[in-house]
Amino acid sequence: EAGVAQSPRYKIIEKRQSVAFWCNPISGHATLYWYQQILGQGPKLLIQFQNNGVVDDSQLPKDRFSAERLKGVDSTLKIQPAKLEDSAVYLCASSLIDFPDSYYNEQFFGPGTRLTVL
Amino acid sequence: KNQVEQSPQSLIILEGKNCTLQCNYTVSPFSNLRWYKQDTGRGPVSLTIMTFSENTKSNGRYTATLDADTKQSSLHITASQLSDSASYICVVSGGYQKVTFGIGTKLQVIP
Repeated sequence: EAGVAQSPRYKIIEKRQSVAFWCNPISGHATLYWYQQILGQGPKLLIQFQNNGVVDDSQLPKDRFSAERLKGVDSTLKIQPAKLEDSAVYLCASSLIDFPDSYYNEQFFGPGTRLTVL
Repeated sequence: KNQVEQSPQSLIILEGKNCTLQCNYTVSPFSNLRWYKQDTGRGPVSLTIMTFSENTKSNGRYTATLDADTKQSSLHITASQLSDSASYICVVSGGYQKVTFGIGTKLQVIP
């Protein structure tokens, strides 16, 4: 089966510019996650969608970050305006099961988008 | 506060040698614990998952153990290969549908 697709793989922008990332989850996976992974750290959950509804966005900096998942499939994550500290890898993951702490809820990750803010 | 701590932060071993990575957690209530492998430039891939009733789980040369009483887990890699060079992330689920990631252990296997 095809994996989680993300684009672009790399992006370099200057601070205060805007940027958008795209994610296409595994077909049939209702749950989609966006993570931010700063170099040398583990992934930090930014937002979790269940179909096209938001389940958890408690760690999303809503003053500059936004995300949407139209039609419950593809998703985009946007940063506007970007700051230097936004430099990180942005990972998208999807899972079949609704509940993130379920034994059967394996999250499948995409390759990530490496963002560099200058 | 739910936390997952991993040690060591980094490790260099010779090809063919064994190694053990540690994970301590304070997540409560506890649901399950996964070990992920993350190759450079790739997303994490699940290696093993265990609940409180499982003490050990193997996946090829990878063996994970769990002590739910002391809230500790380990990942043992046997007869390491160059392809084992990666970051290994401990992920604990629980705490009311929350998933907590450790910062990972970066393993480098050298010839």
